[in-house]
Amino acid sequence: AQSVTQPDIHITVSEGASLELRCNYSYGATPYLFWYVQSPGQGLQLLLKYFSGDTLVQGIKGFEAEFKRSQSSFNLRKPSVHWSDAAEYFCAVGAFGGYNKLIFGAGTRLAVHP
Amino acid sequence: EAGVVQSPRYKIIEKKQPVAFWCNPISGHNTLYWYLQNLGQGPELLIRYENEEAVDDSQLPKDRFSAERLKGVDSTLKIQPAELGDSAVYLCASSRGTGAQDEAFFGQGTRLTVV
Repeated sequence: AQSVTQPDIHITVSEGASLELRCNYSYGATPYLFWYVQSPGQGLQLLLKYFSGDTLVQGIKGFEAEFKRSQSSFNLRKPSVHWSDAAEYFCAVGAFGGYNKLIFGAGTRLAVHP
Repeated sequence: EAGVVQSPRYKIIEKKQPVAFWCNPISGHNTLYWYLQNLGQGPELLIRYENEEAVDDSQLPKDRFSAERLKGVDSTLKIQPAELGDSAVYLCASSRGTGAQDEAFFGQGTRLTVV
């Protein structure tokens, strides 16, 4: 069965530091992978997605993610974190391809220290 | 362009009472989703509509949950009767289609508290 694991429940970084959020997936076919961000009281916003092609994908707000098939991973990175990046981040896999059914991980809550 | 609109934003009810949530998708979006987000968890799909047809409701607890999307636009999700375990955030999302290029946009959600 398809599943997504985000090993880190909480992460705290200092403003200006680099960030990497981990995501591992289990999916039988070529995965469609997504990262969403959810700020308090807000809906989920798509940061980036991977369907095929270049395994390093660029997203909004300076985020990028790298798909590694051999490791079943799709880690999210940002070179320099801003205080406004504090939020909850969800990795998801698109079952059946596309947006038919998104299967989300449990999320990683990011705190940013000044 | 207006986003996905959900109401109410917050709802507190006593157990065994009925409750309904409303969703207005983005104009022109044929696909509508209802997701359930428990505290500390990622969202889980409850039901997906293509226009007015429910094409995936396998995760919807049909003994107490029901949903409708009349005329293929707005949608309502109902719980009757509500249980304490139903306390969660109910998210609505919409997309033009379900293909790879059809991004799903999420509303702000309805936070339900059952006491």
